[in-house]
Amino acid sequence: SQQGEEDPQALSIQEGENATMNCSYKTSINNLQWYRQNSGRGLVHLILIRSNEREKHSGRLRVTLDTSKKSSSLLITASRAADTASYFCATDAWATGGFKTIFGAGTRLFVKA
Amino acid sequence: NAGVTQTPKFRVLKTGQSMTLLCAQDMNHEYMYWYRQDPGMGLRLIHYSVGEGTTAKGEVPDGYNVSRLKKQNFLLGLESAAPSQTSVYFCASSYPRDRGLSENTEAFFGQGTRLTVV
Repeated sequence: SQQGEEDPQALSIQEGENATMNCSYKTSINNLQWYRQNSGRGLVHLILIRSNEREKHSGRLRVTLDTSKKSSSLLITASRAADTASYFCATDAWATGGFKTIFGAGTRLFVKA
Repeated sequence: NAGVTQTPKFRVLKTGQSMTLLCAQDMNHEYMYWYRQDPGMGLRLIHYSVGEGTTAKGEVPDGYNVSRLKKQNFLLGLESAAPSQTSVYFCASSYPRDRGLSENTEAFFGQGTRLTVV
């Protein structure tokens, strides 16, 4: 299976602290993406990192990618209560006729005010 | 701009009944996907489509069928619903950055359909 696996499954931190989530995957990828899901809602794209990139930033988000270890990490700095959500990594790989996007099981982040 | 719209939002079925979930996108995206989300399992890909008239199986296709007769619509059918199909279903769409080449882009999601089979 190509599916990414996030670690930890759940994370609870205080507002202002940094949150780090990890993702591992099994097959070669074209890119890796991170998504956020608020309870009961659809997923929202956060950031995409290509297979030839090692690090990417977007606001308070920092993503790293290590293709040799087939792993990625998402760092949220100076967390806020509003960051409370589930975070998923997704990998894109070429499949028959096009790309197939596969998601991991997610990390549930709880930020305490 | 509506983005990705799923109908219905909620549904309760009896075992053995059939139904169709509709996904519509107005972004002219080539790719569309159906996922199911169960507690602790993340999203699992049911079927996907890389263009009008094409469909392909994902990770968990059994018990589902799909059709992509129009580019903007992707239908998910349950012919004979089972309690194991109780889940939240998400549709998504995306487009290839360079057709036939290197990269897919981010997926845009609908708000989900909560299906209960009793």
